[in-house]
Amino acid sequence: EVQLVESGGGQVKPGGSLRLSCAASGFTLSNYNMNWVRQAPGKGLEWVSSISSSSSYIYFADSVRGRFTISRDNAKNSLYLQMNSLRAEDTAVYYCARGAFGDYVVTYWGQGTLVTVSS
Amino acid sequence: EIVLTQSPGTLSLSPGERVTLSCRASQSVRSNSLAWYQQKPGQAPRLVIYGASSRATGIPDRFSGSGSGTDFTLTISRLEPEDFAVYYCQQYGSSPFTFGGGTKVEIK
Repeated sequence: EVQLVESGGGQVKPGGSLRLSCAASGFTLSNYNMNWVRQAPGKGLEWVSSISSSSSYIYFADSVRGRFTISRDNAKNSLYLQMNSLRAEDTAVYYCARGAFGDYVVTYWGQGTLVTVSS
Repeated sequence: EIVLTQSPGTLSLSPGERVTLSCRASQSVRSNSLAWYQQKPGQAPRLVIYGASSRATGIPDRFSGSGSGTDFTLTISRLEPEDFAVYYCQQYGSSPFTFGGGTKVEIK
C-alpha cells in the first residue's frame, strides 16, 4: 500500500524557517517524480514544487522560488521541503504528493502537515 | 504560466443528475496533460482523471473526462451521494503545474 507521511509542520514567526519531510513507503521512491502542493485555510490547491525521480529536474512556483528548496533521498525513501523566509501567506496545509512514472500528475497524496506563519 | 479557469464556481444538484464541469486554459496544455481531482472536506484530494480522459484506478465509470488544447470537461453521468465535493483541474504539461480554482458540487 502506498503511504506518504508528512512531518515537520508547526507554527513559526515571519522570516523563520521550517523543514518538511515526507516518508514514503509501499513503492520504490526512485521510480517516481514527487511534488509538494499546499492549501491555505478555506482556499484551493496551489502547486508548490516538483522534483524528478533522480533530482535532475526541479521546478518551483514563482511564489516560493528563491525561498524554498526541494530535495529527496531515495535511499531513505524521503522527500523534503526546506522553507526559508516564511511569510504569513505561506500558511497552509502542505501535501506530499507522488507523481506518476515519468510524469508529474499526482497519483497519491499524503494527509498533509499544517504550517502556520504568525507572530 | 498557464492559467486554468473553472466554471461554474458552485453547482447545486440532486443525486441522479448529470453534471458537467468546465476547465479552460489560457494556452494550450501540452500533450493534454490535464488532470481532475476530487476533494471532500477534511480530506486530501484524490485523482479522478489524468491525461484529460483516462480514469484513475478505482474511479467508477460514471466519471468521464474529455477535451483537448484549451478546453476540458469532467462529466459525472449520474451523481451519487459520495460525489458531492470540490473538483479541481490541474495541468502538468509545463511548469508551473497550475491548478484551477475549483468547482464545488453541492447537494440541492
